[in-house]
Amino acid sequence: DAGITQSPRHKVTETGTPVTLRCHQTENHRYMYWYRQDPGHGLRLIHYSYGVKDTDKGEVSDGYSVSRSKTEDFLLTLESATSSQTSVYFCAINKEQGANLYNEQFFGPGTRLTVL
Amino acid sequence: SQKIEQNSEALNIQEGKTATLTCNYTNYSPAYLQWYRQDPGRGPVFLLLIRENEKEKRKERLKVTFDTTLKQSLFHITASQPADSATYLCALDHNTNAGKSTFGDGTTLTVKP
Repeated sequence: DAGITQSPRHKVTETGTPVTLRCHQTENHRYMYWYRQDPGHGLRLIHYSYGVKDTDKGEVSDGYSVSRSKTEDFLLTLESATSSQTSVYFCAINKEQGANLYNEQFFGPGTRLTVL
Repeated sequence: SQKIEQNSEALNIQEGKTATLTCNYTNYSPAYLQWYRQDPGRGPVFLLLIRENEKEKRKERLKVTFDTTLKQSLFHITASQPADSATYLCALDHNTNAGKSTFGDGTTLTVKP
């Protein structure tokens, strides 16, 4: 499982509150990703990171921000949660060998977020 | 933008038969195509990757084909077992050097004993 953990695993919050989800890996991989998964939409990329302090937007980045101050942690923040952000959030890493990516993603267990 | 269609939301087959799942894409061909398995309440698990210059890839009872002319990948599970019941996701990577993949919605396979 590439040593990926996510916290919290479940969270219920109210509209307008800030929420931060944490992804932690133990193998020092450079590339990390945040996805959301919703019925009928599959997995959609929110943001990704290719190193400490290096991040970029994905397909559905509006309303989300990320930070990566250490190789092992990638944080996803909802500045002001909305009901449309109710979803299951997955973190993933992409293993590399030297400068080459394996292009095989390894996922964490997910965080189920409910925004009331 | 790239669009991915997986043939059906659900596929039911009898144990021992071969399951065939389809992944179709539009627009330009990806550099890589991946298949993942996802069980309820869990994250996807990587199964196989096939490159654009490869026609077929096998791993134990799994076989993936990649037809860039048809813009299609087929995923086969031979001698299927009830334990193969899961949702299978197809994903494309356009070799952006960032490892970003675009995922299909998945096909839920149920293998009945």
